[in-house]
Amino acid sequence: SQQGEEDPQALSIQEGENATMNCSYKTSINNLQWYRQNSGRGLVHLILIRSNEREKHSGRLRVTLDTSKKSSSLLITASRAADTASYFCATGQTGANNLFFGTGTRLTVIP
Amino acid sequence: DTGVSQNPRHKITKRGQNVTFRCDPISEHNRLYWYRQTLGQGPEFLTYFQNEAQLEKSRLLSDRFSAERPKGSFSTLEIQRTEQGDSAMYLCASSPQVRGLGYGYTFGSGTRLTVV
Repeated sequence: SQQGEEDPQALSIQEGENATMNCSYKTSINNLQWYRQNSGRGLVHLILIRSNEREKHSGRLRVTLDTSKKSSSLLITASRAADTASYFCATGQTGANNLFFGTGTRLTVIP
Repeated sequence: DTGVSQNPRHKITKRGQNVTFRCDPISEHNRLYWYRQTLGQGPEFLTYFQNEAQLEKSRLLSDRFSAERPKGSFSTLEIQRTEQGDSAMYLCASSPQVRGLGYGYTFGSGTRLTVV
């Protein structure tokens, strides 16, 4: 079963604005990952943050992790039309060998 | 190595027929995963291989589903007696094994199955 929940389910912004997506989960984790999926395609790994880390950056991406609240956020700065996609968080849970994916946030960036 | 390859990209089959999908992972990755994704949902875990050993299967994987990875390289997922509820995108992913650290998955483009 899916363990994470993203919020909001859908987000529409103008090009150049920042986009923030949130993920909440329920169990103890080793790491949390964010993936992007363009319509009808496979998922692309964006960034991984370990349970002992609080913040991580990669280019225009910034991820935070609060293990006490069991939540993470993904910030995309200076959005572009090409960022239009669905974004999923996935948790690497303690004792598990696979990732558990959330329900996703559909991001639309309007040119 | 150009990534994870899945074939076919699309498959339309009649209810009751058997279908088989193939996944070629990144050659250096010893872990291989199958997921299923329906419209508007996130991927749901089906099964996981470490080399040729199938180490975990989800309850979603009914008796009609079987997966193999005979030589620890490519993998096949077979669905017997397909049902309309099997219609979904079937995703394969691979990752290296680094104990305790966790690694990102590399996904293939998926096989979209439509059962009519």
